[in-house]
Parts: sequence; C-alpha cells; structure tokens
Amino acid sequence: DVKVTQSSRYLVKRTGEKVFLECVQDMDHENMFWYRQDPGLGLRLIYFSYDVKMKEKGDIPEGYSVSREKKERFSLILESASTNQTSMYLCASSHLTRSDSPLHFGNGTRLTVT
Amino acid sequence: AQTVTQSQPEMSVQEAETVTLSCTYDTSESDYYLFWYKQPPSRQMILVIRQEAYKQQNATENRFSVNFQKAAKSFSLKISDSQLGDAAMYFCAYRSGNGNKLVFGAGTILRVKS
Repeated sequence: DVKVTQSSRYLVKRTGEKVFLECVQDMDHENMFWYRQDPGLGLRLIYFSYDVKMKEKGDIPEGYSVSREKKERFSLILESASTNQTSMYLCASSHLTRSDSPLHFGNGTRLTVT
Repeated sequence: AQTVTQSQPEMSVQEAETVTLSCTYDTSESDYYLFWYKQPPSRQMILVIRQEAYKQQNATENRFSVNFQKAAKSFSLKISDSQLGDAAMYFCAYRSGNGNKLVFGAGTILRVKS
C-alpha cells in the first residue's frame, strides 16, 4: 500500500525557533507538496518539488523554505516560527507525468507556535 | 488563477439518505481534472472520486457519484445511502491538465445522523 509519512503528528514550538517538518514517501513519486490547512480556507499550497533539488513556490511561501535532497524526502522549514504559522501541515506526493494522478497525503502535522 | 468554491460550510444527512455537496470552479482552461477528497477525523485525506473534463460521462464510485456541468463549471458530489463512516470534511479540488498542483476549496463538513 502506498504511504506518505510525516515525522510528527503534533508539534509545539516557541516563537523564533527554527522548525523542520519531515515527509517521506515510498511510492517513487516525482512530485511532492506541502500544504497548509486552516479552517475556512481549505488547503493552500506552500511549496512543491517535481525532482530532487528542484522546488517551486506555491501560493503562500513567505516564511517557509523547503529541501529535497533525496527523491523520497521533502522537508518544510520554518526559519523563525511565528504564531501565525500555527496550523495543520499536510505533505502529499504524486506521479509527475500523469495529470490525473491523485495526490497521496500524509496524516498531517498539527503545529502550535507559542 | 483557478479558484474552487464550496459554498456549504456544513451539511447534515440522515443515515441511509442521499446528500449532495456543491462545488464550483473558475478556469479558462479546457483541459483539467476535478477531484473530491474526504478527510475523516483521523486526518488522512482519501481520494473519493475524480473526473476528467474531456469526459462527458459523470464519474461513479459505488455510492459516490458526481454531477459534472462543464459549461456551468459545477462539480457536485452525491452520496447515496449515507453511512456513519461518511462523516468527514470533504474537499473539492482542481488540477490543470498540464500542471502538477491541486487547488482546493474551503471544504464542507458532512455530519451523518443515526
């Protein structure tokens, strides 16, 4: 069965801390994504990657960066966490060449910044 | 940019009844894909159904079916014989035919009453 694994289900960090959210997929997918989920706003794309070391900004990249050193792993980095980054973060992956390929999601990381 | 609108923040349905969740989208493209995802309390996003824009026939997956009206840019989800396990947040999503990213609506919470 396909699997996208996010390293933490819950995370509590302090303002100003550097935060790493890790995501690993075992499906050999080229595409990987980081979304943020907030009530009333749905899912908004932060960053995505279509290949190792390649990345593109999504709709809300400010305050975030990403790293993709290996095909299976995609990390989201909050350089200096702020309270407005308290949210649910969802990682997803999909095939590159199939436009009808659905996203496969992880279970999400609920991040609280205090 | 494409947008997806779900105008119903919450819906309720009696067990064994039928419910329809609404979704509209805005695009100038002719080639695209539409998806419905389900997010139960466990937070694992699950693909419910997908529709290719070039297909006239509405997609069906067991108790789930869509009413795809391309000219009206409408993509509603019908759930027949509702079950308690259908209770979840449902997201409508759009993907360009030549793109990798999904654009999501704000979501609809579906409550199923026994």
